[in-house]
Amino acid sequence: SAVISQKPSRDICQRGTSLTIQCQVDSQVTMMFWYRQQPGQSLTLIATANQGSEATYESGFVIDKFPISRPNLTFSTLTVSNMSPEDSSIYLCSVEATWTSGMEQFFGPGTRLTVL
Amino acid sequence: AQSVSQHNHHVILSEAASLELGCNYSYGGTVNLFWYVQYPGQHLQLLLKYFSGDPLVKGIKGFEAEFIKSKFSFNLRKPSVQWSDTAEYFCAIRGSQGNLIFGKGTKLSVKP
Repeated sequence: SAVISQKPSRDICQRGTSLTIQCQVDSQVTMMFWYRQQPGQSLTLIATANQGSEATYESGFVIDKFPISRPNLTFSTLTVSNMSPEDSSIYLCSVEATWTSGMEQFFGPGTRLTVL
Repeated sequence: AQSVSQHNHHVILSEAASLELGCNYSYGGTVNLFWYVQYPGQHLQLLLKYFSGDPLVKGIKGFEAEFIKSKFSFNLRKPSVQWSDTAEYFCAIRGSQGNLIFGKGTKLSVKP
C-alpha cells in the first residue's frame, strides 16, 4: 500500500490568511488528488495534481484560491488562500496506485482546518 | 455526469444484526465501484472494490457487496455487525480523471 502523511494535521487560522498543506507519499505515484470534506458532508474533489503538468481544477474551485504544487512524484502542496470561515473543512490528499489486484486509491489522514 | 447516492444517512443497529447499506450510481459505461470506511478519528480505508468479473465482491472484516448492473446498485452487506463496525461508510465510483466520486456517506452506529 501507499502510505501518505499530511502536515499540519490541524490548524486554526484567522480570516484573510493563507495555509499551505503538505502531502508526502512513501512511493512514487503519478496521480495525486486533493479533496475537501466539509462538516457533515462527503468528499469533494478540488483538483487533480499530476507531476509535470498544471493541476486540473473541478468546477467551483480556482487556482487563485487553491494553488497547488507538484514538484516531484512523492510530494504535493495545497494552499488555501485568503481564508474565510466557509473554508473550514478537512482537506485530504490521495494517490492512485495500481497493483496486480487492480487500481486502488489511498488517502492521507487529512488536515482539519478551522477558520475564525 | 457520474454521481453516487447513498440512501441511508444514519443507521443504528444492535450487535449481531445484519447490515445492508444502499448505494446507487449513475453512469452507463464500465464502472469501477468502491466502498470505503472511516472509523472515528481515522482516515479512509478501502473495504472492497469492484472492477469486473464476479458481481459479488468480498472485502475485509466480513463485508461484501453485490454489483447489480440492471439496478445501477452496489449495496454493502454484512451478516452480523459488531460494535467495532461503528463508522461512516462511503460508496464511490471512479471518475474519468481517476478521481473518486463519493456518495454522502452513511453513519453506522452499532449498540453493544
